[in-house]
Amino acid sequence: AQKITQTQPGMFVQEKEAVTLDCTYDTSDQSYGLFWYKQPSSGEMIFLIYQGSYDEQNATEGRYSLNFQKARKSANLVISASQLGDSAMYFCAMGGDTGNQFYFGTGTSLTVIP
Amino acid sequence: SQTIHQWPATLVQPVGSPLSLECTVEGTSNPNLYWYRQAAGRGLQLLFYSVGIGQISSEVPQNLSASRPQDRQFILSSKKLLLSDSGFYLCAWFSYNEQFFGPGTRLTVL
Repeated sequence: AQKITQTQPGMFVQEKEAVTLDCTYDTSDQSYGLFWYKQPSSGEMIFLIYQGSYDEQNATEGRYSLNFQKARKSANLVISASQLGDSAMYFCAMGGDTGNQFYFGTGTSLTVIP
Repeated sequence: SQTIHQWPATLVQPVGSPLSLECTVEGTSNPNLYWYRQAAGRGLQLLFYSVGIGQISSEVPQNLSASRPQDRQFILSSKKLLLSDSGFYLCAWFSYNEQFFGPGTRLTVL
């Protein structure tokens, strides 16, 4: 069975600093995808970044990058140059490559301090 | 571009009343569709997913049901709501490497 673990319920970061949000996963699938989402207080789920299990390069999207370590089964999100608007809940998720099932972690609440 | 609609945005219902939440997708055909529930301050729990018309897979036993009467329509229902059904319900669809979410419905059962 698949499982996603986010061990940091809350994180604080100074504005303009970088922050790493941890995510580990467990799966027996050979092919899978890892996703990160941002959920501000409004409730909407905003897709941030995707990493395929066969991708050799770490995914990057603007200030977001995914530190993918397949052997350790970790997919940490790195946010560079934090902004006040980055304050939100962040969820890590995993899905099979057919998109039949998705599993989410419990989330990390990030607060950016001015 | 793809758009996903959910309604209503908020709903307050008494215990024992029925429920029907609707989700529709535009700009894509034959999408994989999902219903999630998020309890206050918690993560997302996958309730149902559908890979096509009439095809529903349930992830957890509950008093909710789902139906997919049309390719781009996904409905979440209940005959009798429980207090524990309160939460934020999100519909989503999946493309190759992205999952897009609707705006959600905040359900309060009193």
